[in-house]
Amino acid sequence: KQEVTQIPAALSVPEGENLVLNCSFTDSAIYNLQWFRQDPGKGLTSLLLIQSSQREQTSGRLNASLDKSSGRSTLYIAASQPGDSATYLCAPRGGNQFYFGTGTSLTVIP
Amino acid sequence: EAQVTQNPRYLITVTGKKLTVTCSQNMNHEYMSWYRQDPGLGLRQIYYSMNVEVTDKGDVPEGYKVSRKEKRNFPLILESPSPNQTSLYFCASSPDSSGSNQPQHFGDGTRLSIL
Repeated sequence: KQEVTQIPAALSVPEGENLVLNCSFTDSAIYNLQWFRQDPGKGLTSLLLIQSSQREQTSGRLNASLDKSSGRSTLYIAASQPGDSATYLCAPRGGNQFYFGTGTSLTVIP
Repeated sequence: EAQVTQNPRYLITVTGKKLTVTCSQNMNHEYMSWYRQDPGLGLRQIYYSMNVEVTDKGDVPEGYKVSRKEKRNFPLILESPSPNQTSLYFCASSPDSSGSNQPQHFGDGTRLSIL
């Protein structure tokens, strides 16, 4: 069974910093990996989906990388803003199932 | 507007009283899924459906039932709810049933409390 770990569990940074969130998974046989953000009391918003054949995917200030063979993905956030404060979740897809990490709670201090 | 709609958003009920949480999507997606989210455990998949009349168990199916009679709807049924099913529930959908590369879209969640 796929196990997904996200480190750190919580992160607090001053506005403007660049930061990296980490996701590791135990089974490298994945189709893709999706990054989400979750705001308190809200659902999940898809940020980026990176296919198993890709190494990187970019959207605005966000960049996700994937190293399938080592079971790792990172989400890079450039020039962080207070509006980026949320919990970030990664979810690799293996077969027909999705597995989630417990997330990184990010606070960006103005 | 493309969306996944869950109802109710909040429900407080008692042990043993059957309940249904509805989920509907207007994107003609084939794949639909239910998750529960608990502190420290993250999201765990309960059931998923790859198409009409096709459902499969996820990691935590005990105590739940689902049905997929129409493409757009995927209700979650708790026939005899118990307090350990108190949780935040999410429904999600994605465009395809094969193991390919389309993102999941999530509903806003249903907060369920069972006393």
